[in-house]
Amino acid sequence: DTAVSQTPKYLVTQMGNDKSIKCEQNLGHDTMYWYKQDSKKFLKIMFSYNNKELIINETVPNRFSPKSPDKAHLNLHINSLELGDSAVYFCASSKQLTSGPYEQYFGPGTRLTVT
Amino acid sequence: AQKVTQAQTEISVVEKEDVTLDCVYETRDTTYYLFWYKQPPSGELVFLIRRNSFDEQNEISGRYSWNFQKSTSSFNFTITASQVVDSAVYFCALSEETSGSRLTFGEGTQLTVNP
Repeated sequence: DTAVSQTPKYLVTQMGNDKSIKCEQNLGHDTMYWYKQDSKKFLKIMFSYNNKELIINETVPNRFSPKSPDKAHLNLHINSLELGDSAVYFCASSKQLTSGPYEQYFGPGTRLTVT
Repeated sequence: AQKVTQAQTEISVVEKEDVTLDCVYETRDTTYYLFWYKQPPSGELVFLIRRNSFDEQNEISGRYSWNFQKSTSSFNFTITASQVVDSAVYFCALSEETSGSRLTFGEGTQLTVNP
């Protein structure tokens, strides 16, 4: 069974379109995240949800909107896509913070290409 | 602010050589957590180790070992008797207790192990 899954794995779309990436985890974790990996492989956190509540919201354009319908799912919706949004987007999950940040388990990534 | 530096952008070794990947971090917190992740060519991010700031014991797991030194703010990773399957990008990451679950990644080190 896949622990953290993302769909789609590849997404090619044109500038100006709106798209969504879905993420699901079956690890029973309470915290989920979205990261962006750019073309130079640099990884940066975008959002984090704990029990469906937004706890980290980095400096990300408001065209990006996360939605957590329940603690096993965290989706990412992107409006008015731009060329600079092309990247690999990773979803991750971890146990709830009690004695410090736990390791995060990552999904396989979604490669978004905006043309 | 937390920061992670992986000064080695690329390392190339021949199979069976030992190789050390450097990681230097900056933090103002006394309680923090350090992580290493592996990203093979297939693209997924694989968790390797989590270490808190109060545990300076070195750790060994098979051919992998980690050397944590608070005095030099370093958390280096050594692969003994490297194998071609070790070829990947390796990321060091830091999470401060006060920053919740935010992971700050280094820029990664591309390790290539040649047969």
